[in-house]
Amino acid sequence: QSVLTQPPSASGTPGQRVAISCSGSSSNIGSNPVNWYQQVPGMAPKLLIYGNNQRPSGVPDRFSGSKSGTSASLAISGLQSEDEANYFCAAWHDTLHGPRVVFGGGTKLTVL
Amino acid sequence: EVQLVDSGGGLVQPGGSLRLSCVGSGFSFNNYEMNWVRQAPGKGLEWVSYISSSGGTMYHADSVRGRFAISRDNAKNTLYLQMNSLRAEDTAVYYCARDRYSGFVAYDSWGQGTLVTVSS
Repeated sequence: QSVLTQPPSASGTPGQRVAISCSGSSSNIGSNPVNWYQQVPGMAPKLLIYGNNQRPSGVPDRFSGSKSGTSASLAISGLQSEDEANYFCAAWHDTLHGPRVVFGGGTKLTVL
Repeated sequence: EVQLVDSGGGLVQPGGSLRLSCVGSGFSFNNYEMNWVRQAPGKGLEWVSYISSSGGTMYHADSVRGRFAISRDNAKNTLYLQMNSLRAEDTAVYYCARDRYSGFVAYDSWGQGTLVTVSS
């Protein structure tokens, strides 16, 4: 069971806007930046969003991130077939034994 | 071009050891924090270990602490993961990843992955 909670699946039609949530606690999302990754099966993950809402160069502005309290969200507008992939959120998690990195369980996005 | 090439995976018996390597090129390796992330077959991503740019600070996931050790040789642009007392649940593809921004989890460059299979 992941420390960060994501819905296992999401779907949308081409051109639609979809949002994927990531829920955590005061020890992770509540006190640290959230980051998002896209992974196509068989490939290494790709950084989509870092620092809650920053896009690395080369990532289309159709992808956006936000954070409020202990939850975060990844929004994809103008959905395209190539967006079909698995999406993971990640953040530092503070513990008494030192910091750890935690990932969400992943959300499989299907473009109908 | 920034590139990470990881290697060293293979089939190992429970209780055995392996050492993974990750060679970086196209960037100043000694300026970046590095990590290992794994993915069991059909499962999600699991962070394994972190090491600071100088190698002076290391963190490990609870699931591997005491069995795995991360290290780096900046003169060789190489990251390592020494894995001891391997268990079946350590079976996964292991990726090395560069952290673009300290304090984030902004892994902007990843190795291609190396498969570790723990089985008798």
